[in-house]
Amino acid sequence: DGGITQSPKYLFRKEGQNVTLSCEQNLNHDAMYWYRQDPGQGLRLIYYSQIVNDFQKGDIAEGYSVSREKKESFPLTVTSAQKNPTAFYLCASSIMSLAKNIQYFGAGTRLSVL
Amino acid sequence: GESVGLHLPTLSVQEGDNSIINCAYSNSASDYFIWYKQESGKGPQFIIDIRSNMDKRQGQRVTVLLNKTVKHLSLQIAATQPGDSAVYFCAEIFSGTYKYIFGTGTRLKVLA
Repeated sequence: DGGITQSPKYLFRKEGQNVTLSCEQNLNHDAMYWYRQDPGQGLRLIYYSQIVNDFQKGDIAEGYSVSREKKESFPLTVTSAQKNPTAFYLCASSIMSLAKNIQYFGAGTRLSVL
Repeated sequence: GESVGLHLPTLSVQEGDNSIINCAYSNSASDYFIWYKQESGKGPQFIIDIRSNMDKRQGQRVTVLLNKTVKHLSLQIAATQPGDSAVYFCAEIFSGTYKYIFGTGTRLKVLA
């Protein structure tokens, strides 16, 4: 099956803890993205990566970190510095094309604070 | 997830009727637009796209209309079915940046 796999589906974070959300794609896409989704708001970009070993901050990067060591993988760490981490987190990927840049999404990870 | 749809505008339609979902976009430089469907607890799914050099594009049971003059996008769903119940949102893209701007979404409820 080709697609984007996010894990876990549900995650709980304790005070002061860092947690890592996994995102893997087998679509051979160059670009990968992390978004945060809160009720009643549009998706907000946390980080994105257009090539291995390179990534850029999005609109709400504070309290988050990422790595892109492999083309297929783009894990997101929610650090203890993120004071309001409860949200639905979505990973996406796309080809690098100015003509047609459709982002395809994973099923999401719901993060809650204990 | 389920809580994503809280406080969103809701459109209720009878099964078999046509649905029209609207989206106002913000950037007059945006030149590519996508509609997504998001079911409860799932990630968004691509429905249909349109470039700014077009006014209309049709897919299977869906049509997207673009009015650049008033920066307005609409999604029409023909013969709405229970499986169409979901949150629908638009994305605008300025192709020089790869950056998406997402709308907040509309919840579509299909009444039996």
